[in-house]
Amino acid sequence: TQLLEQSPQFLSIQEGENLTVYCNSSSVFSSLQWYRQEPGEGPVLLVTVVTGGEVKKLKRLTFQFGDARKDSSLHITAAQPGDTGLYLCAGVPGNNRKLIWGLGTSLAVNP
Amino acid sequence: NAGVMQNPRHLVRRRGQEARLRCSPMKGHSHVYWYRQLPEEGLKFMVYLQKENIIDESGMPKERFSAEFPKEGPSILRIQQVVRGDSAAYFCASSPRTGVDTGELFFGEGSRLTVL
Repeated sequence: TQLLEQSPQFLSIQEGENLTVYCNSSSVFSSLQWYRQEPGEGPVLLVTVVTGGEVKKLKRLTFQFGDARKDSSLHITAAQPGDTGLYLCAGVPGNNRKLIWGLGTSLAVNP
Repeated sequence: NAGVMQNPRHLVRRRGQEARLRCSPMKGHSHVYWYRQLPEEGLKFMVYLQKENIIDESGMPKERFSAEFPKEGPSILRIQQVVRGDSAAYFCASSPRTGVDTGELFFGEGSRLTVL
């Protein structure tokens, strides 16, 4: 079974702190996405990574794809209350095209 | 460019009634996906459709659930004889052809079904 495991499941921090959340698998992925979902809304695509070792930055968010393309991390610098939401990773395994989803990390940034 | 449009946003049904959820994909997108989400359970894939074709319905319950994406008009997710366990948020997503390989999906705001 191909799984994407996200950790931590829940995270509550104060405004201004830094944090990292993880998305891990034993499978190789040809591409991996990070989405953010706010309460009552649908997931919104943040980034796609496709190359092992790739690093992408989106303002205060830094995304990294593992060298072996089995894992990814999302680092947020100086978190703000507007970063609150559910962060989901999803990936296309290398051996088929069916998108696999993690269960998400629920982040709360307190003012 | 309008995003993925879902309606209704909220739907209340009594047990045994039918629920119809509609999804208009983004302009230029011919691939539609339906997902179901329960609190703390993540997104569960239900069905993947292209115009007039069901490509993958491996996540759909065998009974009471059906989906279509006609040549004209929105995609419809239909739930017959609803039960309380059908209460959930149902999300539609669309993608262009490239999204099938990359996994890049564009989601609507969801339809929240409550079964009394």
